[in-house]
Amino acid sequence: NAGVTQTPKFRVLKTGQSMTLLCAQDMNHEYMYWYRQDPGMGLRLIHYSVGEGTTAKGEVPDGYNVSRLKKQNFLLGLESAAPSQTSVYFCASSYFGKGVAYEQYFGPGTRLTVT
Amino acid sequence: AQSVTQPDIHITVSEGASLELRCNYSYGATPYLFWYVQSPGQGLQLLLKYFSGDTLVQGIKGFEAEFKRSQSSFNLRKPSVHWSDAAEYFCAVGALETGRRALTFGSGTRLQVQP
Repeated sequence: NAGVTQTPKFRVLKTGQSMTLLCAQDMNHEYMYWYRQDPGMGLRLIHYSVGEGTTAKGEVPDGYNVSRLKKQNFLLGLESAAPSQTSVYFCASSYFGKGVAYEQYFGPGTRLTVT
Repeated sequence: AQSVTQPDIHITVSEGASLELRCNYSYGATPYLFWYVQSPGQGLQLLLKYFSGDTLVQGIKGFEAEFKRSQSSFNLRKPSVHWSDAAEYFCAVGALETGRRALTFGSGTRLQVQP
């Protein structure tokens, strides 16, 4: 199993450009998440999905959109990149178990620089 | 809303010395607690988790953590640190009631190991 994979690994954008980050998982997990990691701030939740076709906002959703057309994929889009979106982006997934706690499995991250 | 505090931003220990990383959480009910480790340029790897039961939890790589409800703490320990333990460590809390089941992360503690 590959687990959680992310593409691309690195990207440099100019202000105003758009791009899509792809996350894929092969563990048949229901839940998927997008986080951003900035120095001294831990990981902050951008958007998440509780199943195919559903998405919801997290703590810092502004400037991002997401889609989950297939259970195994979760896409994060930046329509008009800004320097404040320079960050490392992590995708994670977890299974759903009623009444059961959940651990999240993380991808290797995408380092995005917006100039 | 739940929150996590890791009071130590940076810790340096000598190889072979013992280690304790502090984590305090704020949450009204019984929390689900996690410790993750992140090596440079890598994603997050789960070290251990606490759901219920025995308050002393064993994890991978010789780590353990103790849940203390009275102190709202979940400190990570290792009796003898190895140079390969140098990394950033994140404590996280999760809650079933939030629906989205996302984790709230602390800001991390960076561990340096001196030879």
